[in-house]
Amino acid sequence: DVVMTQTPVSLPVSLGGQASISCRSSQSLVHSNGNTYLHWYLQKPGQSPQLLIYRVSNRFSGVPDRFSGSGSGTDFTLKISRVEPEDLGDYYCLQSTHFPYTFGAGTKLELK
Amino acid sequence: EVQLVESGGGLVQPGRSLKLSCAASGFTFSNYYMAWVRQAPTKGLEWVASITNSGGSTYYRDSVKGRFTISRDNAKSTLYLQMDSLRSEDTATYYCTRGWYFDFWGPGTMVTVSS
Repeated sequence: DVVMTQTPVSLPVSLGGQASISCRSSQSLVHSNGNTYLHWYLQKPGQSPQLLIYRVSNRFSGVPDRFSGSGSGTDFTLKISRVEPEDLGDYYCLQSTHFPYTFGAGTKLELK
Repeated sequence: EVQLVESGGGLVQPGRSLKLSCAASGFTFSNYYMAWVRQAPTKGLEWVASITNSGGSTYYRDSVKGRFTISRDNAKSTLYLQMDSLRSEDTATYYCTRGWYFDFWGPGTMVTVSS
C-alpha cells in the first residue's frame, strides 16, 4: 500500500498568517495515464470533509485562492495564505492513483 | 445542488450484518464512480470501497474484502454497502462520496459494532 506521510501533525497559526502542510508518498503518484491523483480536504469540527484541491493544484469550485497546491511525484504541499477563522480544522491529503486509496494521517490547523 | 444522504447505520453485535444506503440527487448518478470512506471515532479518514459508474467493477481495502459488498442501483440513484461479519474495528462514521476526487460527501451514518 502507498503510505502517505503528512506533516506536521499540528500547526498553530495566527489569523492572517500563512500555513504550509506537506504530504509525501512512499511511491510515485503519477498514474499510467499521466495524471497525478493527489487531493486535499478540510474537515471542520463536526462536519464532513470538503474537497479543496484536486490533482495536485486545481482548486475545487468555490475554494478561495488563498489555498494553493503544488508538488510532483512523491512530494506535495498545501499552502494557505491569510488564514481566516473558517480555515481551522483537520486537513487530509489523499492519493487515488493506486488501490487501495490512502489518506494522510491529518494535520490539525489551530490558532496560536 | 448535489446531495448525498446516507442511512442504515446503528448499533449491531459483532458477527452480524448491516446494509448502508446513500441516496444521491442533483446530478446524473450513473455518470460517476462512487465510494465509501469511514472514520473511526477521533481517528482519520479511511477509504473502504469504490465502484465504477456502471457497477461493473468494484474495489475494496483488504480488511473488508470478502465481508463488505459495494453496489449501486442507477435507476434509483442509490449506492449501497452491505456489511457482513462485522467486527468492533468496523465501528466508524461511514461517508458516501462521489467521483475520482471525492468532490462531494454526505453527512455520514454512524455504525457501532458492540455486544
